[in-house]
Amino acid sequence: DAGVTQSPTHLIKTRGQHVTLRCSPISGHKSVSWYQQVLGQGPQFIFQYYEKEERGRGNFPDRFSARQFPNYSSELNVNALLLGDSALYLCASSIFRVMNTEAFFGQGTRLTVV
Amino acid sequence: AQSVTQPDIHITVSEGASLELRCNYSYGATPYLFWYVQSPGQGLQLLLKYFSGDTLVQGIKGFEAEFKRSQSSFNLRKPSVHWSDAAEYFCAVGPFNNAGNMLTFGGGTRLMVKP
Repeated sequence: DAGVTQSPTHLIKTRGQHVTLRCSPISGHKSVSWYQQVLGQGPQFIFQYYEKEERGRGNFPDRFSARQFPNYSSELNVNALLLGDSALYLCASSIFRVMNTEAFFGQGTRLTVV
Repeated sequence: AQSVTQPDIHITVSEGASLELRCNYSYGATPYLFWYVQSPGQGLQLLLKYFSGDTLVQGIKGFEAEFKRSQSSFNLRKPSVHWSDAAEYFCAVGPFNNAGNMLTFGGGTRLMVKP
């Protein structure tokens, strides 16, 4: 079975540009979450989506947005990129609101802003 | 607000020696605790999780962790470290009813293994 897949694996953008990152969850998983991991730090929660609705949001500016599609895949969008947005962006998928289970992480998208 | 502290940024142990990685958390409700491992440039792999019940939990690769509510700690241990255990380890806490989502992570501990 395929795990969580993210695309692209790497990309380089210029300050001020916009970027879209994509995530396909594990088959049967309807919840997708996004995390930002700056080099040398732990991941930080950005968003959780379930059934195309935002179910949770971390402390990130409005430049960050996301959406979920009917097939449960998701996009993370970041506008007006800053140098500080350079990070590994991780997507995780799971069943929604079930106890004693876990989210499964993809390999991430490495974004470099120059 | 919830938080996770991993006091040791780097730890070096000899191959075959025992290992303990510390984790302290602050969480206002019933915590759901995790340990993840990350190899360079890779995603996160779950080692183990604590939801309820026995406070000593077993995970993959020979790891175990002990939940101590009175100390707000969830330390990770391994009796004998292998060179392949060299990686970054993250402790995380989240709501007990959200399938391991909306996690708050610690800053990580980088483990180096000497031959």
